[in-house]
Amino acid sequence: EDKVVQSPLSLVVHEGDTVTLNCSYEVTNFRSLLWYKQEKKAPTFLFMLTSSGIEKKSGRLSSILDKKELFSILNITATQTGDSAIYLCAVGSGGSNYKLTFGKGTLLTVNP
Amino acid sequence: DGGITQSPKYLFRKEGQNVTLSCEQNLNHDAMYWYRQDPGQGLRLIYYSQIVNDFQKGDIAEGYSVSREKKESFPLTVTSAQKNPTAFYLCASSIGGMDTQYFGPGTRLTVL
Repeated sequence: EDKVVQSPLSLVVHEGDTVTLNCSYEVTNFRSLLWYKQEKKAPTFLFMLTSSGIEKKSGRLSSILDKKELFSILNITATQTGDSAIYLCAVGSGGSNYKLTFGKGTLLTVNP
Repeated sequence: DGGITQSPKYLFRKEGQNVTLSCEQNLNHDAMYWYRQDPGQGLRLIYYSQIVNDFQKGDIAEGYSVSREKKESFPLTVTSAQKNPTAFYLCASSIGGMDTQYFGPGTRLTVL
């Protein structure tokens, strides 16, 4: 059974702090790893990673994948209150029946 | 405006009743997905469809049914056989089966 584990499950920080969110996985036929941000309703796409060791960056957010050790991290620098959300990690696997398996998410709260 | 719409936003149902949740997209995406989200559980895949007139069961298909008669539409029926249907339901779509999935705003179903 495919498994995606995120840690920590929740985190409270102050504005300006840097945070690192973790995602480890065990899946058959790995294809990709995706990060989403969910504030109130629909998860919004952040990154998709398929190659090991290549960092994806967007503003204060960055992510990297380690396919050998089967994990990914999402870094957020200089956090703002608007970063408060649930961050979801999902792993894509399978061939013709490709599907995403999601972790339980990390609830990040950024206090002013 | 391109996007994914789900209706209704909130739905209340009496035990023993079937109910259908709507999902429509005008992104010309081939693949569509239904997920269920419970507090602290992340997203779990119910059904998915890579092409019109074809769909596959996800991890928690029991008590649910779908149809895919049109590319734009992928309605989900929650039947009375679903033992614990109260949850937040999210629909997603992607260009192809292995691409990034984009989510609709969700429907919150409450069984009274």
